[in-house]
Amino acid sequence: AQSVTQPDIHITVSEGASLELRCNYSYGATPYLFWYVQSPGQGLQLLLKYFSGDTLVQGIKGFEAEFKRSQSSFNLRKPSVHWSDAAEYFCAVGAWIFGNEKLTFGTGTRLTIIP
Amino acid sequence: EAGVAQSPRYKIIEKRQSVAFWCNPISGHATLYWYQQILGQGPKLLIQFQNNGVVDDSQLPKDRFSAERLKGVDSTLKIQPAKLEDSAVYLCASSLRGGVGQETQYFGPGTRLLVL
Repeated sequence: AQSVTQPDIHITVSEGASLELRCNYSYGATPYLFWYVQSPGQGLQLLLKYFSGDTLVQGIKGFEAEFKRSQSSFNLRKPSVHWSDAAEYFCAVGAWIFGNEKLTFGTGTRLTIIP
Repeated sequence: EAGVAQSPRYKIIEKRQSVAFWCNPISGHATLYWYQQILGQGPKLLIQFQNNGVVDDSQLPKDRFSAERLKGVDSTLKIQPAKLEDSAVYLCASSLRGGVGQETQYFGPGTRLLVL
């Protein structure tokens, strides 16, 4: 069965510093991979997605992620964080499960930005 | 373009009471999803509609949860009777056609339910 692991529950980063959020997945085939962001009181917003091709994916708000098949990872990066990036970040895998193609989410990483 | 609308935003009820949540997807989106997000966890798919038909309800606790999308547009999710463990945020999402390969799911703001 497919699964997604986000090993960091909470990360604190200084404004202007670089960021990397970790995501590992388990799935028998090449999955579709996603990163979503959830700000307080808001729904989830798609940051970026990987389907195939170039393993480095660019997203909105200056984020990028790299798919590494050998490590079963899809880590999210940003070179310089802004205070507005404080939110909860979810990695998800899209896969076929019992005849339906659907998303399985990780447990999320809460990002705090300090001045 | 208007996003996915949900109401109410917050609801507090006592256990064994019933509650209903409403969702209006983005206009023209054929696929509608209901997710349950328990505190500290990622969203979990409860039910997926394609137009007004159910595609997947494998994780819906059917003894207490029900959902409908009668005219293929807006949808209602009901819990009757509620249990303490139903306390969660209920997210509605929609996509143009369905499937996750080429489609983006757009999420509403969610309804936060507290069962006392």
